[in-house]
Amino acid sequence: GGIITQTPKFLIGQEGQKLTLKCQQNFNHDTMYWYRQDSGKGLRLIYYSITENDLQKGDLSEGYDASREKKSSFSLTVTSAQKNEMAVFLCASGGQGAQVFFGKGTRLTVV
Amino acid sequence: GDSVTQTEGLVTLTEGLPVMLNCTYQTIYSNPFLFWYVQHLNESPRLLLKSFTDNKRTEHQGFHATLHKSSSSFHLQKSSAQLSDSALYYCALPYMGYKLTFGTGTSLLVDP
Repeated sequence: GGIITQTPKFLIGQEGQKLTLKCQQNFNHDTMYWYRQDSGKGLRLIYYSITENDLQKGDLSEGYDASREKKSSFSLTVTSAQKNEMAVFLCASGGQGAQVFFGKGTRLTVV
Repeated sequence: GDSVTQTEGLVTLTEGLPVMLNCTYQTIYSNPFLFWYVQHLNESPRLLLKSFTDNKRTEHQGFHATLHKSSSSFHLQKSSAQLSDSALYYCALPYMGYKLTFGTGTSLLVDP
């Protein structure tokens, strides 16, 4: 088995701040994902990466950057945090057509 | 682009009654495969069912679903709901095996 570790678990930021979320997986999966989860809006894809150094925009990429410098890690940057923003960011990994596994999430609050 | 539609935001029913959660999809891919994920409170989503074959029923943990390409549907069913089935259910569509698109989710609340 494997595990996906997201850090930090809770992130409190200030309006306009650049914030970085990190994700590590030891499944040796090629593909990694970042999703944003908001109540009533489901899981929206922000970025995904099919291999090291690859980046693909999802439906919600505006306002975010991502980086995949190693196969095992995938980071997400909120380029300018929006006031009163609250969301859960979920990292996931999986092989082609295979089961996708999720991390436990990072809860973001912007004050 | 590819999309998944889950029409019910919330489904409430009494324990013992049958469950049916709707999922329809749109894709340009001729051989789609579909997933159902389940997310219990304070947990992360995990895979519940997956289907790769048209008109073939797939089952897991008492739930079942059949991919119907003719109607672009992959509805989730269970014959008898349990209290522990209360959770958020997502239908998902992978595009070319990589870009995994989720629906907006259906919250299932099972009352005693």
